[in-house]
Amino acid sequence: QVQLQESGPGLVKPSETLSLSCTVSGYSISNGYYWVWVRQPPGEGLEWIGSIYHSGSTYYNSSLKSRVTISIDTSKNQFSLRLSSVTAADTAVYYCARQLSGSSHTYFDYWGRGTLVSVSS
Amino acid sequence: QSVLTQPPSVSGAPGQRVTISCTGSSSNIGAGFDVHWYQQLPGTAPKLLIYGNTNRPSGVPDRFSGSKSGASASLAITGLQAEDEADYYCQSYDSSLSGWVFGGGTKLTVL
Repeated sequence: QVQLQESGPGLVKPSETLSLSCTVSGYSISNGYYWVWVRQPPGEGLEWIGSIYHSGSTYYNSSLKSRVTISIDTSKNQFSLRLSSVTAADTAVYYCARQLSGSSHTYFDYWGRGTLVSVSS
Repeated sequence: QSVLTQPPSVSGAPGQRVTISCTGSSSNIGAGFDVHWYQQLPGTAPKLLIYGNTNRPSGVPDRFSGSKSGASASLAITGLQAEDEADYYCQSYDSSLSGWVFGGGTKLTVL
């Protein structure tokens, strides 16, 4: 059974960089699939942040592209999110998930439990 | 403002049938991109409910069904149960945005 677990600071100061990791168990990420970050501000809907393939190729949400970096470490079976210059608007629950493929028709089939990141001084 | 429009809320009594709509445009659902649905129970992560417009993952009851027509899609839930009370999200791809998009979500209340 594929399991994903997010980890990282729960509080980040404005203008600083948010950094999260997602550890995957039950599947070797070097074997394939895409891996994705999705966020959900409190009381709001879901927003796709970006996706990465095990080779390192990435897709980013155009509205966040200038601030987002997603990387992958197959030796640790982890992938990571960095979001720079954060503001209060970046306060959200951040989820990592598995994306079935890079096709435009794709979907997200396994999700982590999510981690709340608050941006505040 | 989501590019996929869902009603903010729907409700139904136990045993009834409800539908949740997801309206898009010519750059997403209307362009032929698949629609997928997720169920988010209170305080939990989203769970894949329907993929590829009409398909149910293993373990999802057949009370849940999806359909798509033109630039819209729908999720139907029959034999409504108290445990179905959750938020439901549709998801597709948008060619104008070059990325994957979600609907704003619909809160289902079981009366």
